[in-house]
Amino acid sequence: AQTVTQSQPEMSVQEAETVTLSCTYDTSESDYYLFWYKQPPSRQMILVIRQEAYKQQNATENRFSVNFQKAAKSFSLKISDSQLGDAAMYFCAYRSAGSGTYKYIFGTGTRLKVLA
Amino acid sequence: DTGVSQNPRHKITKRGQNVTFRCDPISEHNRLYWYRQTLGQGPEFLTYFQNEAQLEKSRLLSDRFSAERPKGSFSTLEIQRTEQGDSAMYLCASSPGFGVDSKRNEQFFGPGTRLTVL
Repeated sequence: AQTVTQSQPEMSVQEAETVTLSCTYDTSESDYYLFWYKQPPSRQMILVIRQEAYKQQNATENRFSVNFQKAAKSFSLKISDSQLGDAAMYFCAYRSAGSGTYKYIFGTGTRLKVLA
Repeated sequence: DTGVSQNPRHKITKRGQNVTFRCDPISEHNRLYWYRQTLGQGPEFLTYFQNEAQLEKSRLLSDRFSAERPKGSFSTLEIQRTEQGDSAMYLCASSPGFGVDSKRNEQFFGPGTRLTVL
């Protein structure tokens, strides 16, 4: 069975600085998808960034980028130029690329605090 | 607002009572998911529908839990004989099963229903 581990329960970053959130996963599959979702307080989760395992190039979305290390089964999220609105819970998620299963497997989350 | 909606947003009930939650997915999405999120944990998968067919269920979904999606649109999640351990946030998500957007494999989440069992 696949597992996702986020070892940092809480992180803090100064506004305008850069922060990296860690995620590791365990799987025997070769093809899968990885996601970072953001859950602001009392608001719904939204997708931050996604990565297909077959792509070697790291995904980027504006101030958000990932460092995907397939062999190490690591998928970290880098947030550049942090803003107050980035404060939220961040969840790493895994989804098999196999047909017939579409569920996400989530990590336990990292709470990001942004300091003014 | 064309996002995923869930009702009620909050539910307080006494142990032993039955509760039912509703999820309205994004209208063109044929896949619908239920997750449960307890304090300090990430969401855990409960069940998945493609149209009206329930195709996957987690072992977390005990026989007290039942989910339906009768016409392939909205879905309901019922918990019978609630227990204090059922207290959690219940999240619904949807995704398109076809078209260009389906290749993104993104699930769109609702705001959740927070259940408190006293």
